[in-house]
Amino acid sequence: GAVVSQHPSWVICKSGTSVKIECRSLDFQATTMFWYRQFPKQSLMLMATSNEGSKATYEQGVEKDKFLINHASLTLSTLTVTSAHPEDSSFYICSAIYRSSYNSPLHFGNGTRLTVT
Amino acid sequence: AQTVTQSQPEMSVQEAETVTLSCTYDTSESNYYLFWYKQPPSRQMILVIRQEAYKQQNATENRFSVNFQKAAKSFSLKISDSQLGDTAMYFCAFMKAYNQGGKLIFGQGTELSVKP
Repeated sequence: GAVVSQHPSWVICKSGTSVKIECRSLDFQATTMFWYRQFPKQSLMLMATSNEGSKATYEQGVEKDKFLINHASLTLSTLTVTSAHPEDSSFYICSAIYRSSYNSPLHFGNGTRLTVT
Repeated sequence: AQTVTQSQPEMSVQEAETVTLSCTYDTSESNYYLFWYKQPPSRQMILVIRQEAYKQQNATENRFSVNFQKAAKSFSLKISDSQLGDTAMYFCAFMKAYNQGGKLIFGQGTELSVKP
C-alpha cells in the first residue's frame, strides 16, 4: 500500500539552530501534503497545506517565516523550523493525498519528535 | 469554519465489552467526510473508519461502527468486543469534499483504555 516516509523520526537541536523535516511519498505522487503539529496529549493542529510547485498556504497564527515549507516535487515536502526555540518542541506529522477525488485516501507519516534544548 | 468536538477526554472499558466514543461537529457544508483515527503510543495515525455525509447508511469495519446523525451533526464510534490493542487515543476528524483540498480538522481526542 501507499506509504509516506517522514524523516527524521526524532531530532534534538540547540536553541537558535534550524531543523529540516522531510515528508516523502514512496509509491505515489502527492499532489498535496499537509503539516500538523501535536503537543503531548493534545490534538493535531493543521499548520499548512503544501501544493507541489506553489507556495504553501499557512493556517491562521502560524508564522510562515518560522516554519518554512517547500514542496519541490510530487514526492517530497520539507518543513524547516528556523531559529528553533524550546517552545517549538513538539511532534510534527505530515500527511499526503495523491488525487483530489472521492477515492483518494490520506496517508500519514510516522511523525517527527522535535526537542529544542 | 468547521469545528469538531469530542467531549470525553478519557474513557475506559473492560476487555470484550462495548464502548461508544462521542463526536459532534459544526459545518455549513453539505458535502463532507467524517473519520475516526486511532493513535496508539507509537503515535502513528491509523484510519479506523470513514463516513461520507451523503450516505445515510452507517459505516462499519469489523468491530467498529459509527452512528452518523447528520441533522444532529453527531458522529459516534462504537467499538464492540474491545481488545487490549484498542487502547489508544481516538480522534474524530472532519474533511470537506476531497476536491476541496483534503485537509482534516481534528477533535480534541479521547484516550481509551481497555482493561483486562
